[in-house]
Amino acid sequence: SQQGEEDPQALSIQEGENATMNCSYKTSINNLQWYRQNSGRGLVHLILIRSNEREKHSGRLRVTLDTSKKSSSLLITASRAADTASYFCATDQQGAQKLVFGQGTRLTINP
Amino acid sequence: DGGITQSPKYLFRKEGQNVTLSCEQNLNHDAMYWYRQDPGQGLRLIYYSQIVNDFQKGDIAEGYSVSREKKESFPLTVTSAQKNPTAFYLCAISRGNQPQHFGDGTRLSIL
Repeated sequence: SQQGEEDPQALSIQEGENATMNCSYKTSINNLQWYRQNSGRGLVHLILIRSNEREKHSGRLRVTLDTSKKSSSLLITASRAADTASYFCATDQQGAQKLVFGQGTRLTINP
Repeated sequence: DGGITQSPKYLFRKEGQNVTLSCEQNLNHDAMYWYRQDPGQGLRLIYYSQIVNDFQKGDIAEGYSVSREKKESFPLTVTSAQKNPTAFYLCAISRGNQPQHFGDGTRLSIL
């Protein structure tokens, strides 16, 4: 089952601009995680936000979580060409690390 | 990626053939996972194992089998019963509540 729905499916911006990706989910969660995937590679964990948290930062990344709306957003500030990748949200419903992934947002940063 | 090794990188299966994908880790993590990724899609959980000699079905276990005889190894067999096996297969590991750490995947195609 695909719990997360990500929006947009694809995003193309100029280097230096900010990129925002959104994720909606259907059931209550223990935490929500964001991962990055470069083409043909495995996923790399970016950030985890727990259900009792509303915002979290890591370097140029900012994640928000609104449990009342069952949605999350990932903001990448001052984008770089190296940020070009697919970004996935994943929800952990039981805190048991049994993740359910969204279909991802393909981000392209144009130099 | 460091500590988790998937092999081979590319694999071809003939009709009616079983094939086995390897996942090995040297990070002493308890939990291991197998995911399937179809083009432009997110990951779907096939099987997972939280301790040696125990494993559970994920969302799409039909046509697949696993074993967990050693902590370091969690091989996935794609059986002939899996009628649409062409996909990118990803193995992940985790410890406790820490985020999952992914290998670089095996791409399986049908001859």
